Amino acid sequence: GQNIDQPTEMTATEGAIVQINCTYQTSGFNGLFWYQQHAGEAPTFLSYNVLDGLEEKGRFSSFLSRSKGYSYLLLKELQMKDSASYLCAVTDSNYQLIWGAGTKLIIKP
Amino acid sequence: DAGVIQSPRHEVTEMGQEVTLRCKPISGHDYLFWYRQTMMRGLELLIYFNNNVPIDDSGMPEDRFSAKMPNASFSTLKIQPSEPRDSAVYFCASSLPGQDLTGELFFGEGSRLTVL
Repeated sequence: GQNIDQPTEMTATEGAIVQINCTYQTSGFNGLFWYQQHAGEAPTFLSYNVLDGLEEKGRFSSFLSRSKGYSYLLLKELQMKDSASYLCAVTDSNYQLIWGAGTKLIIKP
Repeated sequence: DAGVIQSPRHEVTEMGQEVTLRCKPISGHDYLFWYRQTMMRGLELLIYFNNNVPIDDSGMPEDRFSAKMPNASFSTLKIQPSEPRDSAVYFCASSLPGQDLTGELFFGEGSRLTVL
């Protein structure tokens, strides 16, 4: 079957760095997405990786290793507004988007 | 652009009633998706359209659910009759032309449905 694993919840301190991991087992691969979802709101796009390596976008970076079926989202200089759920999603060989359950990130002062 | 617009934002209804959720995608986006999100099951794709044509409805739970897209600027998701287990947040999303299914999704604010 197809599966995406991410931690259910993580806690970090304002100003610190946090890494949210995502491992996937899918039938084929056509890209990996990270979305941010604040409580009671819609998911919003953060990043897209289709090749191995690190993509940096301001305080957020996303890494992909296709051979390991692994990605992480790195958030630097954490702010209280970063408290949200972070969803990992993979597009498989049939271009179906498979979603992880999301990681709830709690930022403490 | 106004973004993806969904209505109603909140709906409370009684079991057995018909529910119609509406969506207006971003102008020029040719893919439209209906998702359902619950705490237990996360985000689930129900159906998606390309150029107003339903492409994959394998995620539609059962015959009680139906979706239409009569034109490029409007889609509906209907549940008839509704059941308590249909309670969820229903999201509509659209994506840019030519992006197929590897493109960024733009989500509406969702319709929170509660079936009593």
